[in-house]
Amino acid sequence: DVKVTQSSRYLVKRTGEKVFLECVQDMDHENMFWYRQDPGLGLRLIYFSYDVKMKEKGDIPEGYSVSREKKERFSLILESASTNQTSMYLCASSLAGVNYEQYFGPGTRLTVT
Amino acid sequence: AQKITQTQPGMFVQEKEAVTLDCTYDTSDPSYGLFWYKQPSSGEMIFLIYQGSYDQQNATEGRYSLNFQKARKSANLVISASQLGDSAMYFCAMREGPGNTPLVFGKGTRLSVIA
Repeated sequence: DVKVTQSSRYLVKRTGEKVFLECVQDMDHENMFWYRQDPGLGLRLIYFSYDVKMKEKGDIPEGYSVSREKKERFSLILESASTNQTSMYLCASSLAGVNYEQYFGPGTRLTVT
Repeated sequence: AQKITQTQPGMFVQEKEAVTLDCTYDTSDPSYGLFWYKQPSSGEMIFLIYQGSYDQQNATEGRYSLNFQKARKSANLVISASQLGDSAMYFCAMREGPGNTPLVFGKGTRLSVIA
């Protein structure tokens, strides 16, 4: 079974803090993705990575950065958390190929106060 | 322009009835894949069904089928014999071209199954 795990299910941080969200997959997938999900907006892509040390901006990269030092791990970093980054964050991974589905982690619900 | 449009924010269906969730897409790439995911209240994203742009037949997976109309750029999900456990958010998504591209999602449809 493909497994994508995320470091926390719930996280509460203060404005201005640096926040790390970790994602690990165990199926040797090339591609990894970070989305945020907000009511009425669906899933919006923040960043993705198709190889170690490679990253591509998604639709809403502002205020975020990412790191992929190992194939199985993809980290999302909020350099200085703000209240408008309160959201559900979903990590996903997939094989390369148009017909492969993305496997999702359970999500991290981040609240910034 | 939105690549994936789901025009039904919410829908109700009677248990045991069939329901169609609409999805239209926009792409100029001849090679693409269309996906449907289910997200129950627990939050996990569950992959349901896939349709490739070159597939001649509509995809089916158990009670799920995808009504693929390429000329109309639509990829509607049909759920037959609805069950209470089908109550969830449903997302349509598309991946274009080579494999190193992410899925682009619609805004979702919330389906409620009534006993």
